[in-house]
Amino acid sequence: GQNIDQPTEMTATEGAIVQINCTYQTSGFNGLFWYQQHAGEAPTFLSYNVLDGLEEKGRFSSFLSRSKGYSYLLLKELQMKDSASYLCAPEGGTGGFKTIFGAGTRLFVKA
Amino acid sequence: DTAVSQTPKYLVTQMGNDKSIKCEQNLGHDTMYWYKQDSKKFLKIMFSYNNKELIINETVPNRFSPKSPDKAHLNLHINSLELGDSAVYFCASSQDGGGGETQYFGPGTRLLVL
Repeated sequence: GQNIDQPTEMTATEGAIVQINCTYQTSGFNGLFWYQQHAGEAPTFLSYNVLDGLEEKGRFSSFLSRSKGYSYLLLKELQMKDSASYLCAPEGGTGGFKTIFGAGTRLFVKA
Repeated sequence: DTAVSQTPKYLVTQMGNDKSIKCEQNLGHDTMYWYKQDSKKFLKIMFSYNNKELIINETVPNRFSPKSPDKAHLNLHINSLELGDSAVYFCASSQDGGGGETQYFGPGTRLLVL
């Protein structure tokens, strides 16, 4: 089966660090994406992890543990524009690569 | 230049009507997708085409019929619209549907069925 679990909402302060956790179960797991989606807009790519460990990309980093079915997205030096939904999206399934999106974590950044 | 475009952006219609949503990508990608995002914000894949051929067809009512006239276009036709079809429909594309490929999403079509 397929299951993705991430917090519904989080609130953090401008300049702070926030970690958004995601646990997943998916058949035929290949890798895991994180996408950002601002309200009323389309999702945009943030990161992709296929190997265990931390991938750093500017203020954003993403971690994957394949054995634990666990990932997190780390956002540093938060800015107001980071207020958005963050979608954990494992890639897998049978019969072709398929990205399965979670419901997302709505992050509110306050001044 | 818009990479993935969809028309219309908003669509308000009555139950029972038939409507189409169009999608075009100018990225030269081989694979295109249709997703539905409901009020709970789940983004669910509906269909995927690679070079005009259907490769993913999720459990979607057969009132929904995708059509890909060429690899740059993937349209979605919906027959006999129902209230539960109200959602945002996103088109997306990726290079060739292989693993680890970034998907580029269109701006979405907000469908409201009354």
